[in-house]
Amino acid sequence: NAGVMQNPRHLVRRRGQEARLRCSPMKGHSHVYWYRQLPEEGLKFMVYLQKENIIDESGMPKERFSAEFPKEGPSILRIQQVVRGDSAAYFCASSPLSGLEEKLFFGSGTQLSVL
Amino acid sequence: GDSVTQMEGPVTLSEEAFLTINCTYTATGYPSLFWYVQYPGEGLQLLLKATKADDKGSNKGFEATYRKETTSFHLEKGSVQVSDSAVYFCALSVEPAGNKLTFGGGTRVLVKP
Repeated sequence: NAGVMQNPRHLVRRRGQEARLRCSPMKGHSHVYWYRQLPEEGLKFMVYLQKENIIDESGMPKERFSAEFPKEGPSILRIQQVVRGDSAAYFCASSPLSGLEEKLFFGSGTQLSVL
Repeated sequence: GDSVTQMEGPVTLSEEAFLTINCTYTATGYPSLFWYVQYPGEGLQLLLKATKADDKGSNKGFEATYRKETTSFHLEKGSVQVSDSAVYFCALSVEPAGNKLTFGGGTRVLVKP
């Protein structure tokens, strides 16, 4: 059973370009969380999705950022018109259910570098 | 709002030394507390957790006790190994937030042979 798969591992973009980060949850998991880790900081919650639904996006910046988790395929975190401040490690996590009793499984992250 | 504060690193130790990483928290409700570990090049892994006051979480020789009176969840290990070199994150979650975690800034631990 493969773990949470994120790709690419490293993504370099120039200012103004778009970044698309992909996350395939573990098999059987229908809950996906995105976290961002800025340099020298802890992880910050961004968004929580179930299949085809955004449940909680309270941590998402109001502009340029969007997330989806379609019925088929991976979850996508999309950042439009990237700026240098978007440079960070973006982690995806999945769980089979939403409660605290369910363990979160994290991917290895995507390191986004904006030039 | 909820927050987690943990000691800054890096913490450098010799093999078989005693490790303590301090973690304190503030929470609007009654939190569950977690320690996650991130090995180089990997994602975070749950190390241990505690869901109510005075609970002790333990795993792989690591322990942490949920202290409500001091709002703390310090991580300890009696004898570290080189393989324990990693970044350790303290985190909390308050229902009904479920798996929406609030993390501390992380503590890098380096164990030398």
